[in-house]
Amino acid sequence: DVKVTQSSRYLVKRTGEKVFLECVQDMDHENMFWYRQDPGLGLRLIYFSYDVKMKEKGDIPEGYSVSREKKERFSLILESASTNQTSMYLCATGDTEAFFGQGTRLTVV
Amino acid sequence: AQSVTQPDIHITVSEGASLELRCNYSYGATPYLFWYVQSPGQGLQLLLKYFSGDTLVQGIKGFEAEFKRSQSSFNLRKPSVHWSDAAEYFCAVGAFNTGNQFYFGTGTSLTVIP
Repeated sequence: DVKVTQSSRYLVKRTGEKVFLECVQDMDHENMFWYRQDPGLGLRLIYFSYDVKMKEKGDIPEGYSVSREKKERFSLILESASTNQTSMYLCATGDTEAFFGQGTRLTVV
Repeated sequence: AQSVTQPDIHITVSEGASLELRCNYSYGATPYLFWYVQSPGQGLQLLLKYFSGDTLVQGIKGFEAEFKRSQSSFNLRKPSVHWSDAAEYFCAVGAFNTGNQFYFGTGTSLTVIP
């Protein structure tokens, strides 16, 4: 079975903090994705990566950055967290099908 | 541009009744289509997928979906709903000629009443 592991299920951070969300996959997939999920808005793509050190902006990249130094790991970075970044963050991996982690529910206070 | 529309935000059905969740897509080439289910507090789990061939696709948990190119639709069906099917359902299209992206609909929330 494909395993996609997100480092935290729940996080509470303060406004202005730098936040790291980590995602690790064990299937040697080229593609990895970060989505944000909000009620009524579905899943919105923040960034994706199709290779090590390669990244592409998704639909809502503002306020976020990413890092992919190793194939199996894709990190989402909130440079200065704001309350409007309170959300569920979902990591996915896959080349012809998306496999999801369990999600990180981030609250920014 | 690629897009996925799920016109029903919320559906309520009685246990044992049939279910159909609607999905329409916009995509310039032959689409790869998916249905995912999300239980509360969990990630998304793949129910079924369509890449090519038979337009009626069978999935897990007794679900099926039918691809209709003329209607740009990929509706999800189940003949008899169980209480455990209560969840959020997402339709998605895979765009593999633009860097392998997946585009998701806004989801349909299913409530099952006894």
